[in-house]
Order: sequence, then structure tokens, then C-alpha cells
Amino acid sequence: DAGITQSPRHKVTETGTPVTLRCHQTENHRYMYWYRQDPGHGLRLIHYSYGVKDTDKGEVSDGYSVSRSKTEDFLLTLESATSSQTSVYFCATGPGSNQPQHFGDGTRLSIL
Amino acid sequence: AQSVTQLDSQVPVFEEAPVELRCNYSSSVSVYLFWYVQYPNQGLQLLLKYLSGSTLVKGINGFEAEFNKSQTSFHLRKPSVHISDTAEYFCAVSPQGGSEKLVFGKGTKLTVNP
Repeated sequence: DAGITQSPRHKVTETGTPVTLRCHQTENHRYMYWYRQDPGHGLRLIHYSYGVKDTDKGEVSDGYSVSRSKTEDFLLTLESATSSQTSVYFCATGPGSNQPQHFGDGTRLSIL
Repeated sequence: AQSVTQLDSQVPVFEEAPVELRCNYSSSVSVYLFWYVQYPNQGLQLLLKYLSGSTLVKGINGFEAEFNKSQTSFHLRKPSVHISDTAEYFCAVSPQGGSEKLVFGKGTKLTVNP
């Protein structure tokens, strides 16, 4: 939907390793978001971006960093992964003006 | 700040029965309201939205929702469900005139049984 591609779709890694998830969009939307989805918690915002090089923290930003060097790409990095970061991660984009966000298909990340 | 409460975490119903999924929100400012659906192993898809105007909003797949400002509710309804409606449903709010961020409820898993 809205030309959003997340990569990788699945990843298994070990505690303490760095991990980078990529979100690529083809819709030229100004806003991009990273969420994590955990049972019983719904979706929680990690970080978001309101333009190239413009980012801000969300509700659960500790342990995560982001970068946006181009309109179409938004990277989420776990500098040193922990087991508590095992989750399904969703990227979303939006044109702004309170129009609905569009979601990617998610990345299932397991940290052992 | 905004918060969203979805009152039922799981709702089982029989095929062709009506269903209502409840959503209440809390906000000190006016909000925009959304319902999203998530099928297994997929991302979220927009079902419907309330931005302004008529408080009864119609969405895709025969769903509708009614915005009730006095009760701060935005309940989702369908008069007759199908097996294919089995999914998880999320209510979300965004403050008017504020950030472009959504606050989600914890979701309601709808299971339609034959």
C-alpha cells in the first residue's frame, strides 16, 4: 500500500549486535514513522520524521535511532539489540494534513 | 496528550451476525479518528476516518462508525459479518491542529465463526 517496502521482512540476530531496518517509499510522502507491535500493546511509535534530516522521538524511543537522508528512505537502527526489542516493526508514511497513514507489511525481528 | 481505549480485546461472533467494536478516547483538544484493520501477517489498512462533518462515517467492506463527541466514542459496526472479516481492528486518534502522530488503541481481535 502506498508503495512502502520494508527490508528485511524477517531477521534473527543475537543480543548485543547492531541491527538496521529499512523503509523505502515511492509516494513522496513528507512524514515517515516507525512503530513496534507487541501483543497487548497495540502499535507504539518509536520515532518519526517530518522531512529529510528532521526526526523526533516517539513513545518508546530508548535504544533506537533513526536517519532520513532522502525523502524515500527511513532507517531504524538498534545500536546494541536486546531481547526486549524482539517485536514486529512497521513503517508508515503520510502526506500530512492529518490524512491517514499508510503501512508497510512489517519486519519480524527476533533477538536471541 | 491523547489516549485510546478499546474496551474488548477479543470479540467472537457467528457469521452473518451484527458486530460492534467499541472505542473510547481521551483528549483535551479536538481529534481526528481512524479505524484500521490488520489481517494476519500483514500491515494495517485504513477502514474509515472521521475528520469533520457527518458523525456517521462509512468505510470499506461494509463497515461504519459513529463519532459521539459527548461520549468521546467512535464505535465500529457492521450489520452482517463474514468469515473474511476475521482480523484485528485498531482505533486511533490524532489531535487536530497538532502533530501528525497517531495514538493507537491496543486492538480488538474479531473472530467470525461459521
